[in-house]
Amino acid sequence: AQSVTQPDIHITVSEGASLELRCNYSYGATPYLFWYVQSPGQGLQLLLKYFSGDTLVQGIKGFEAEFKRSQSSFNLRKPSVHWSDAAEYFCAVVLGGGGAQKLVFGQGTRLTINP
Amino acid sequence: EAGVAQSPRYKIIEKRQSVAFWCNPISGHATLYWYQQILGQGPKLLIQFQNNGVVDDSQLPKDRFSAERLKGVDSTLKIQPAKLEDSAVYLCASLLGPLRYEQYFGPGTRLTVT
Repeated sequence: AQSVTQPDIHITVSEGASLELRCNYSYGATPYLFWYVQSPGQGLQLLLKYFSGDTLVQGIKGFEAEFKRSQSSFNLRKPSVHWSDAAEYFCAVVLGGGGAQKLVFGQGTRLTINP
Repeated sequence: EAGVAQSPRYKIIEKRQSVAFWCNPISGHATLYWYQQILGQGPKLLIQFQNNGVVDDSQLPKDRFSAERLKGVDSTLKIQPAKLEDSAVYLCASLLGPLRYEQYFGPGTRLTVT
């Protein structure tokens, strides 16, 4: 069955350090992939998306992600984190198409930033 | 452009009571989704509308949950009667149309069932 796995439930990094959040997907065709961020008490905000083309995609807030088909991964990276990046991060894949498309989410990675 | 609106933001009820959540999608967005997000988990799709028709409600517990989208705009999700395990954040999202893939999420309604 198609699924998304985020292996790390909780990650702690120091402010200014680099960040990589892992996402693995199980999907037969070329997936449409997303990273969303959720701050406490807030809805989900789209960070970036991959549909096709260049496998390195840039997003908002200085985030980027790299699609690696051979590893079935779509890891999120940021070279230097800020305290405001503390939040929950979700990887998601689109299943289906057209009017029947839906998002399937991973279980999320909670990011804590040490000052 | 106004985002997806949801109300109320918070709701506390006792088990066996009923509750309703409201969602107003972005203007012109044909597709509307309701997700349930239990603490520590990713959102899970409950129901999907295309205009005012149901596309997918396979994960909706139909013995207690119901949803409607009258006139293809606003939507209401209802739980009756509520159980303790219904405590979660209920997220509404909208999508411009079938050829687009970016969903826009509302702030959610946090439901606590005691």
